[in-house]
Amino acid sequence: EDKVVQSPLSLVVHEGDTVTLNCSYEVTNFRSLLWYKQEKKAPTFLFMLTSSGIEKKSGRLSSILDKKELSSILNITATQTGDSAIYLCALQTGANNLFFGTGTRLTVIP
Amino acid sequence: ETGVTQTPRHLVMGMTNKKSLKCEQHLGHNAMYWYKQSAKKPLELMFVYNFKEQTENNSVPSRFSPECPNSSHLFLHLHTLQPEDSALYLCASSQDWAANTGELFFGEGSRLTVL
Repeated sequence: EDKVVQSPLSLVVHEGDTVTLNCSYEVTNFRSLLWYKQEKKAPTFLFMLTSSGIEKKSGRLSSILDKKELSSILNITATQTGDSAIYLCALQTGANNLFFGTGTRLTVIP
Repeated sequence: ETGVTQTPRHLVMGMTNKKSLKCEQHLGHNAMYWYKQSAKKPLELMFVYNFKEQTENNSVPSRFSPECPNSSHLFLHLHTLQPEDSALYLCASSQDWAANTGELFFGEGSRLTVL
Protein backbone atom coordinates (compact mmCIF):
# COMPACT_ATOMS: atom_id res chain seq x y z
CA GLU A 1 0.00 0.00 0.00
CA ASP A 2 1.36 3.41 -0.98
CA LYS A 3 2.21 5.57 2.03
CA VAL A 4 3.55 9.05 2.76
CA VAL A 5 4.76 9.93 6.26
CA GLN A 6 5.77 13.43 7.28
CA SER A 7 7.66 14.50 10.37
CA PRO A 8 7.46 16.28 12.63
CA LEU A 9 3.69 16.69 12.79
CA SER A 10 4.13 20.20 14.11
CA LEU A 11 6.99 22.56 14.79
CA VAL A 12 7.30 25.92 16.52
CA VAL A 13 10.37 28.07 15.83
CA HIS A 14 11.47 31.67 16.21
CA GLU A 15 11.98 34.05 13.31
CA GLY A 16 15.42 33.60 11.82
CA ASP A 17 15.68 29.92 12.66
CA THR A 18 16.35 27.27 10.02
CA VAL A 19 13.97 24.33 9.81
CA THR A 20 14.08 20.95 8.11
CA LEU A 21 10.90 19.08 7.32
CA ASN A 22 10.96 15.40 6.46
CA CYS A 23 8.95 13.22 4.15
CA SER A 24 9.39 9.48 3.79
CA TYR A 25 7.45 7.27 1.47
CA GLU A 26 6.63 3.79 0.30
CA VAL A 27 5.22 3.59 -3.19
CA THR A 28 5.08 0.85 -5.75
CA ASN A 29 5.52 3.00 -8.82
CA PHE A 30 7.30 6.27 -8.06
CA ARG A 31 6.95 9.08 -10.53
CA SER A 32 7.71 12.24 -8.56
CA LEU A 33 7.61 13.79 -5.09
CA LEU A 34 6.02 17.17 -4.57
CA TRP A 35 5.90 19.76 -1.82
CA TYR A 36 2.98 22.09 -1.28
CA LYS A 37 2.39 24.93 1.20
CA GLN A 38 -1.09 25.34 2.69
CA GLU A 39 -1.48 28.64 4.51
CA LYS A 40 -5.23 28.95 4.93
CA LYS A 41 -7.17 26.81 2.55
CA ALA A 42 -5.66 26.42 -0.92
CA PRO A 43 -2.38 24.44 -1.09
CA THR A 44 0.14 26.08 -3.39
CA PHE A 45 2.84 24.24 -5.30
CA LEU A 46 6.46 24.59 -4.14
CA PHE A 47 8.62 21.93 -5.76
CA MET A 48 8.53 18.78 -7.84
CA LEU A 49 11.43 16.33 -7.43
CA THR A 50 12.11 13.39 -9.68
CA SER A 51 15.86 12.77 -9.46
CA SER A 52 17.94 11.92 -6.42
CA GLY A 53 20.50 14.38 -5.16
CA ILE A 54 19.44 17.37 -7.23
CA GLU A 55 18.48 20.30 -5.05
CA LYS A 56 15.58 22.50 -6.03
CA LYS A 57 15.75 26.01 -4.65
CA SER A 58 13.39 28.95 -4.45
CA GLY A 59 14.53 31.85 -2.31
CA ARG A 60 14.91 30.64 1.26
CA LEU A 61 13.30 27.29 0.49
CA SER A 62 15.12 24.28 -0.87
CA SER A 63 14.35 20.61 -1.23
CA ILE A 64 16.15 17.43 -2.17
CA LEU A 65 15.15 13.86 -2.87
CA ASP A 66 16.94 10.69 -1.74
CA LYS A 67 15.54 7.75 -3.65
CA LYS A 68 17.80 5.29 -1.86
CA GLU A 69 16.41 6.36 1.52
CA LEU A 70 12.91 6.88 0.07
CA SER A 71 12.76 10.34 1.56
CA SER A 72 12.90 14.04 0.93
CA ILE A 73 13.62 17.10 3.05
CA LEU A 74 12.37 20.63 2.76
CA ASN A 75 14.64 23.29 4.24
CA ILE A 76 13.62 26.80 5.12
CA THR A 77 16.37 29.20 6.16
CA ALA A 78 15.94 32.51 8.03
CA THR A 79 12.29 31.73 8.71
CA GLN A 80 9.71 34.51 8.75
CA THR A 81 6.21 34.66 10.22
CA GLY A 82 4.86 34.37 6.68
CA ASP A 83 6.34 30.89 6.49
CA SER A 84 3.79 29.70 9.07
CA ALA A 85 1.68 27.12 7.25
CA ILE A 86 1.09 23.42 6.78
CA TYR A 87 3.68 21.89 4.46
CA LEU A 88 2.36 18.95 2.49
CA CYS A 89 4.40 16.25 0.83
CA ALA A 90 2.79 14.28 -1.99
CA LEU A 91 3.83 11.32 -4.10
CA GLN A 92 2.83 10.98 -7.69
CA THR A 93 2.55 7.37 -8.75
CA GLY A 94 2.62 5.77 -12.16
CA ALA A 95 -1.15 5.69 -12.13
CA ASN A 96 -1.13 9.48 -12.01
CA ASN A 97 -2.55 9.46 -8.53
CA LEU A 98 -1.25 11.98 -6.01
CA PHE A 99 -0.95 10.66 -2.42
CA PHE A 100 -0.60 13.32 0.23
CA GLY A 101 0.92 13.08 3.70
CA THR A 102 -0.83 14.60 6.72
CA GLY A 103 1.51 17.55 6.62
CA THR A 104 3.81 19.37 9.03
CA ARG A 105 2.32 22.43 10.73
CA LEU A 106 5.03 25.08 11.04
CA THR A 107 4.52 28.05 13.33
CA VAL A 108 7.08 30.86 13.24
CA ILE A 109 7.01 33.13 16.28
CA PRO A 110 8.20 36.75 15.94
CA GLU B 1 -6.04 34.10 -6.36
CA THR B 2 -5.17 30.76 -7.95
CA GLY B 3 -7.57 30.90 -10.89
CA VAL B 4 -9.76 28.22 -9.31
CA THR B 5 -12.95 29.47 -7.66
CA GLN B 6 -15.12 27.42 -5.34
CA THR B 7 -18.59 28.19 -4.04
CA PRO B 8 -19.98 28.20 -1.49
CA ARG B 9 -17.07 28.77 0.86
CA HIS B 10 -19.09 27.44 3.80
CA LEU B 11 -22.06 25.10 3.83
CA VAL B 12 -24.09 23.68 6.71
CA MET B 13 -26.60 21.00 5.82
CA GLY B 14 -28.75 18.40 7.47
CA MET B 15 -28.44 14.73 6.66
CA THR B 16 -31.55 14.75 4.49
CA ASN B 17 -30.65 17.84 2.46
CA LYS B 18 -29.44 17.94 -1.13
CA LYS B 19 -26.84 20.54 -2.00
CA SER B 20 -24.09 21.08 -4.55
CA LEU B 21 -20.55 22.40 -4.47
CA LYS B 22 -19.31 24.30 -7.50
CA CYS B 23 -15.83 24.76 -8.90
CA GLU B 24 -14.75 26.90 -11.83
CA GLN B 25 -11.25 27.27 -13.25
CA HIS B 26 -10.07 30.12 -15.45
CA LEU B 27 -6.70 28.60 -16.37
CA GLY B 28 -7.56 26.75 -19.55
CA HIS B 29 -6.77 23.43 -17.89
CA ASN B 30 -8.19 20.12 -19.04
CA ALA B 31 -8.16 18.10 -15.81
CA MET B 32 -10.14 18.82 -12.65
CA TYR B 33 -10.18 17.10 -9.28
CA TRP B 34 -12.15 16.87 -6.06
CA TYR B 35 -10.18 16.28 -2.85
CA LYS B 36 -11.48 15.83 0.69
CA GLN B 37 -9.46 17.17 3.63
CA SER B 38 -10.57 16.01 7.09
CA ALA B 39 -8.96 17.06 10.35
CA LYS B 40 -5.64 15.29 10.95
CA LYS B 41 -5.99 13.19 7.80
CA PRO B 42 -4.18 13.44 4.47
CA LEU B 43 -5.84 15.00 1.48
CA GLU B 44 -7.91 12.26 -0.13
CA LEU B 45 -8.50 12.18 -3.86
CA MET B 46 -12.18 11.64 -4.64
CA PHE B 47 -12.67 12.17 -8.38
CA VAL B 48 -10.65 13.10 -11.44
CA TYR B 49 -12.03 14.41 -14.72
CA ASN B 50 -9.89 14.74 -17.82
CA PHE B 51 -11.43 16.47 -20.83
CA LYS B 52 -14.82 16.13 -19.12
CA GLU B 53 -14.47 12.36 -18.77
CA GLN B 54 -14.24 10.78 -15.34
CA THR B 55 -10.95 8.91 -15.08
CA GLU B 56 -10.78 8.19 -11.36
CA ASN B 57 -13.35 7.38 -8.73
CA ASN B 58 -11.55 6.56 -5.54
CA SER B 59 -14.18 4.32 -3.94
CA VAL B 60 -16.27 7.30 -2.99
CA PRO B 61 -19.75 6.59 -1.56
CA SER B 62 -22.62 7.20 -3.95
CA ARG B 63 -23.97 9.99 -1.75
CA PHE B 64 -21.28 12.08 -3.49
CA SER B 65 -22.05 12.55 -7.17
CA PRO B 66 -19.70 14.53 -9.43
CA GLU B 67 -20.62 16.32 -12.61
CA CYS B 68 -18.33 17.91 -15.18
CA PRO B 69 -20.32 19.67 -17.93
CA ASN B 70 -17.19 21.17 -19.51
CA SER B 71 -13.47 21.48 -18.83
CA SER B 72 -13.94 24.66 -16.82
CA HIS B 73 -16.67 23.59 -14.42
CA LEU B 74 -16.94 20.82 -11.87
CA PHE B 75 -19.74 20.10 -9.44
CA LEU B 76 -20.07 17.83 -6.44
CA HIS B 77 -23.68 16.95 -5.69
CA LEU B 78 -24.36 15.97 -2.10
CA HIS B 79 -27.31 14.02 -0.73
CA THR B 80 -28.09 12.13 2.46
CA LEU B 81 -24.66 12.88 3.89
CA GLN B 82 -23.38 11.70 7.25
CA PRO B 83 -21.78 13.83 10.00
CA GLU B 84 -18.42 12.17 9.22
CA ASP B 85 -18.58 13.75 5.76
CA SER B 86 -17.94 17.12 7.39
CA ALA B 87 -14.64 18.31 5.93
CA LEU B 88 -12.97 20.81 3.63
CA TYR B 89 -13.64 19.92 0.01
CA LEU B 90 -10.93 21.19 -2.30
CA CYS B 91 -11.19 21.48 -6.04
CA ALA B 92 -8.04 21.52 -8.15
CA SER B 93 -7.09 21.67 -11.80
CA SER B 94 -4.05 20.82 -13.88
CA GLN B 95 -3.07 21.22 -17.50
CA ASP B 96 -3.63 17.61 -18.40
CA TRP B 97 -4.14 14.48 -16.28
CA ALA B 98 -2.17 12.07 -18.44
CA ALA B 99 0.89 14.28 -18.62
CA ASN B 100 0.37 15.57 -15.12
CA THR B 101 3.50 17.14 -13.71
CA GLY B 102 1.90 17.02 -10.30
CA GLU B 103 1.40 20.75 -10.16
CA LEU B 104 -2.20 21.20 -9.13
CA PHE B 105 -3.87 24.56 -8.73
CA PHE B 106 -6.25 24.44 -5.79
CA GLY B 107 -9.30 26.50 -4.96
CA GLU B 108 -9.89 27.93 -1.50
CA GLY B 109 -12.18 25.05 -0.62
CA SER B 110 -15.75 24.60 0.58
CA ARG B 111 -16.03 23.95 4.31
CA LEU B 112 -18.93 21.51 4.75
CA THR B 113 -20.62 20.78 8.06
CA VAL B 114 -23.22 18.02 8.21
CA LEU B 115 -25.51 18.18 11.21
